[in-house]
This record gives sequence, structure tokens and C-alpha cells, in this order.
Amino acid sequence: GAVVSQHPSWVICKSGTSVKIECRSLDFQATTMFWYRQFPKQSLMLMATSNEGSKATYEQGVEKDKFLINHASLTLSTLTVTSAHPEDSSFYICSARDDRVGNTIYFGEGSWLTVV
Amino acid sequence: KQEVTQIPAALSVPEGENLVLNCSFTDSAIYNLQWFRQDPGKGLTSLLLIQSSQREQTSGRLNASLDKSSGRSTLYIAASQPGDSATYLCAVFSGNTPLVFGKGTRLSVIA
Repeated sequence: GAVVSQHPSWVICKSGTSVKIECRSLDFQATTMFWYRQFPKQSLMLMATSNEGSKATYEQGVEKDKFLINHASLTLSTLTVTSAHPEDSSFYICSARDDRVGNTIYFGEGSWLTVV
Repeated sequence: KQEVTQIPAALSVPEGENLVLNCSFTDSAIYNLQWFRQDPGKGLTSLLLIQSSQREQTSGRLNASLDKSSGRSTLYIAASQPGDSATYLCAVFSGNTPLVFGKGTRLSVIA
């Protein structure tokens, strides 16, 4: 079945540094990918919609200069958390919408970010 | 604006019981509806996808139904097992938009 690979699964970084998370669709092309974050015991919150070859669309309240999204190819989107702070510690999940008929959306396994 | 509600928020059942999870959505103009499973600290696993033209989908012990006119979907789990314990999320897709998720149902199946 279709797989979305997210890397890294776990990352710890120092406050003030930047962290990049990758989201790859392994056996399908995805013009559109989505980035979510999830706090413990809460539902997913959409951060932004990533479109190949164009700027991402950010949800209200999400700082685009802090959460940089790049979707340079049909199989890869990256989320860079810049100047990370402890409050950015969270679970980040990406999803990719299959360009083929049906537009099924597949999710990555998520990335745990801890900022110390 | 599409809103998705899942009831109950949490459910605890003994092993072997059949159970139903409910999902309702406010805007019936959907493209499809998906049910996901999320284990603690893990990403989402897609369980069943129902296109707007379909009434139900089945996979193993899981059966999902869709009634667009009433804005409802149910996920039926037969003969529940402890391994079914997880959070179940339903999400609707309305064309060229992100999924809209419910808050999920936390299921505990007790051996």
C-alpha cells in the first residue's frame, strides 16, 4: 500500500536552533501535502497546506516565518522549525494526498520534537 | 464551515464485544470520508475510505457506513480485541481542501 515516510521520528534540539522534518511519499506523487501538530491528548491541528512548486498556505495563527515549508518536488515536503523554543515541542505529522483517482490521503508516522 | 463531531469521546469495553463509533459532519457536500486509527505517540493509520457515492466499506472486522444526507458515519468493530485499543479519528474531505478531523474516540478493550 501507499506509504508516507516521515523523518526523523524523534529529534531533540537546543533552544534557538532550527530543525528540519521531511515528509516523502514513497510510491505515489503528491501535489499537495499537509502538516499538522498535535499536543498530548488533543486532536490534530492543521498548520499548513503545502503545494508543490508554490508557497504554502498557512492556517490562522501559524507563523510562516517560524514554520518554513518547502515542497520542491512531487514526493517531498519539508517543515523547518526555525529558532525553536520549548513551546514548539510537539508531535508533528505530515500527510500526502495521492494525485491518482480517489485522492486518498496517507499519513506519515509523525515526528516528536523536543526543544530543550 | 465543516465541523466533525465524534461520539463518544471515550469508550471502554470488554474483549469480544461488538461496538459502534459515531461520526457526524455538518456539511454533506463531501468528497469522501476516512476513518483512521492512532496509537499513542504514533502517526495515523488509514483504516477505511468511503467515497461520497458509496454507502459502506469493509475491511476484516471493521465496517464503516456513510449516510451523506444525514451527515453521519459509523465505524463498526466486531469481536473487539485488546489490540484494537487506540484513538479512532474520522475525517471528511471536501474536494481541494485539507481533511477536517473529529476529536476522536479513545477506545479501550479490556482483556
